[in-house]
Amino acid sequence: KAGVTQTPRYLIKTRGQQVTLSCSPISGHRSVSWYQQTPGQGLQFLFEYFSETQRNKGNFPGRFSGRQFSNSRSEMNVSTLELGDSALYLCASSIGGTDTQYFGPGTRLTVL
Amino acid sequence: AQTVTQSQPEMSVQEAETVTLSCTYDTSESDYYLFWYKQPPSRQMILVIRQEAYKQQNATENRFSVNFQKAAKSFSLKISDSQLGDAAMYFCAYRSAQWVGNTPLVFGKGTRLSVIA
Repeated sequence: KAGVTQTPRYLIKTRGQQVTLSCSPISGHRSVSWYQQTPGQGLQFLFEYFSETQRNKGNFPGRFSGRQFSNSRSEMNVSTLELGDSALYLCASSIGGTDTQYFGPGTRLTVL
Repeated sequence: AQTVTQSQPEMSVQEAETVTLSCTYDTSESDYYLFWYKQPPSRQMILVIRQEAYKQQNATENRFSVNFQKAAKSFSLKISDSQLGDAAMYFCAYRSAQWVGNTPLVFGKGTRLSVIA
């Protein structure tokens, strides 16, 4: 089976712009989670989707949003980018809501 | 809220030797999963090993094994016969096994492991 894929792998944006990141889960996985990784804060949970419904959300501002499509692919959007949004964004998929999560390679976002 | 603590920011080991990475966690739940993930410089987070809290037997995966002490809330990772490819950041993570809603992974801050040839 193909693993979790994320596109694009690298992004450079300027403050105030918006960005959309994409994640395709492992075939058969219905749950997709997003995490932000920074040197200072470590790995922080953004949100999780299961069967197109957001089931859980971390403590991030409303500028961070996401959605999941009927084929389980997920996108996350960050509007009005800030310098502090520079991070590695990781997507993980699992079969259900509580079992093992498998991660994609991440998208490195740099905000200038 | 659950927390995961990795008290060793950095560790090193000689090639072919054994090293143990420490992890403690805090939870009031009785049913949960614990994981060790490895993140090499390529940044891909790779699952190393998983432990179900209801299982007393420690999980093993080839050269990787855990020492799970539920009462002490301790979950250490032992790497035997260390190889250069084991050099990476290792994260300990907790996930609730509650079936109500979906539960995220809670990560520790990580331990950077260096392997010396």
